[in-house]
Amino acid sequence: NAGVMQNPRHLVRRRGQEARLRCSPMKGHSHVYWYRQLPEEGLKFMVYLQKENIIDESGMPKERFSAEFPKEGPSILRIQQVVRGDSAAYFCASSPRQNPSSYEQYFGPGTRLTVT
Amino acid sequence: DQQVKQNSPSLSVQEGRISILNCDYTNSMFDYFLWYKKYPAEGPTFLISISSIKDKNEDGRFTVFLNKSAKHLSLHIVPSQPGDSAVYFCAALADSNYQLIWGAGTKLIIKP
Repeated sequence: NAGVMQNPRHLVRRRGQEARLRCSPMKGHSHVYWYRQLPEEGLKFMVYLQKENIIDESGMPKERFSAEFPKEGPSILRIQQVVRGDSAAYFCASSPRQNPSSYEQYFGPGTRLTVT
Repeated sequence: DQQVKQNSPSLSVQEGRISILNCDYTNSMFDYFLWYKKYPAEGPTFLISISSIKDKNEDGRFTVFLNKSAKHLSLHIVPSQPGDSAVYFCAALADSNYQLIWGAGTKLIIKP
């Protein structure tokens, strides 16, 4: 059973470009969470999605950021017109069903975004 | 407003001894706590958890203690092994929510 997959592992973008981060949850998991980690800090919740639905995007900036989890294919976190402050590690996690019935979230290896 | 605090950025422990990592929280609505371990360039790996109705949970070399009145929890690793060297994150969850609230992490270094 493959774990959570994220790609790319490293992404370099110039200011103003778009960044697309992909996440394939574990098999059988239909709940996906995106977190951002800035240097020397803990992870910060961004968005929680189920298939074709955004459940909670309260942690995601209103501008330039969007997320989707289509019926087929991976979840996508998109950042438009990137700025240097977007440089961070972005982690995706999945769980088999909605917390709190399953508290543990399983994490992918992360995508390290660098904006130059 | 940091609801989950790990006040020690790093901790160095001799191999074979006990490692104790601490975590404090401010939100009394938290009722589930988790510890994650993270190696460089990898995602966090779930380690152990505890519900607020318990004060102790043990899994092999790992034990988590919860003191609700002090809003404090700790992770004990005994005996410590070189492979335990990693960053350890404390995270908390409120029953009405699914957002994991994370501490900033403690880097554990196990000395041979």
